[in-house]
Amino acid sequence: EVQLVESGGGLVQPGGSLRLSCAASGFTFSSYWMNWVRQAPGKGLEWVANIKQDGSEKYYVDSVKGRFTISRDNARNSLYLQMNSLRAEDTALYYCARDGSGYYEAMFDYWGQGSLVTVSS
Amino acid sequence: QSALTQPASVSGSPGQSITISCTGTSSDVGIYNSVSWYQQHPGKAPKLMISDVSYRSSGVSNRFSGSKSGNTASLTISGLQAEDEADYYCSSYTSRSTVIFGGGTKLTVL
Repeated sequence: EVQLVESGGGLVQPGGSLRLSCAASGFTFSSYWMNWVRQAPGKGLEWVANIKQDGSEKYYVDSVKGRFTISRDNARNSLYLQMNSLRAEDTALYYCARDGSGYYEAMFDYWGQGSLVTVSS
Repeated sequence: QSALTQPASVSGSPGQSITISCTGTSSDVGIYNSVSWYQQHPGKAPKLMISDVSYRSSGVSNRFSGSKSGNTASLTISGLQAEDEADYYCSSYTSRSTVIFGGGTKLTVL
């Protein structure tokens, strides 16, 4: 059974940092593009970033470029999101999601339950 | 980049059909078939319903179908059921190698 379990969320002050983790199981992690998608309270979905199977390609939404870094450790079946210079508008539930195509087709077939990040003083 | 445009809400009675539109541009929906649709119930993670414009995910009812014309993709749900009441989101790959979502549509089954 495919499982994605996020952790690392919490309350952080504006300007602070946080590192999210996503533990994957039930599939060959190293064979898939992986993504972070966020959802602010009561709002819609926003794609944040993704990373290729070997980590050689990474893409970000403009609003997080230069502040967030996506990475992965295929030996540990884990995905990460390092978030620096956090702003109030980064407050959201952050989902880890798999691109099920095996390529970059932007079809997210498995999602975690999310990790809540709250940026507030 | 602005979100894909979806109606904020749609409604229908049980047994009826509804269509949710998703309008993008010639930089996303218009030139790529990497359009997906997701269903999200309150407090739950999104669920992939349709990928590549019209391919139903495993286990998804054939009451759900997808299509695309020009810059607009559509999700049609036929034979509406109470359990279909949820939020629906479209997404597309873009020419900037990013992914963009629609603003979401709340489906109410009357």
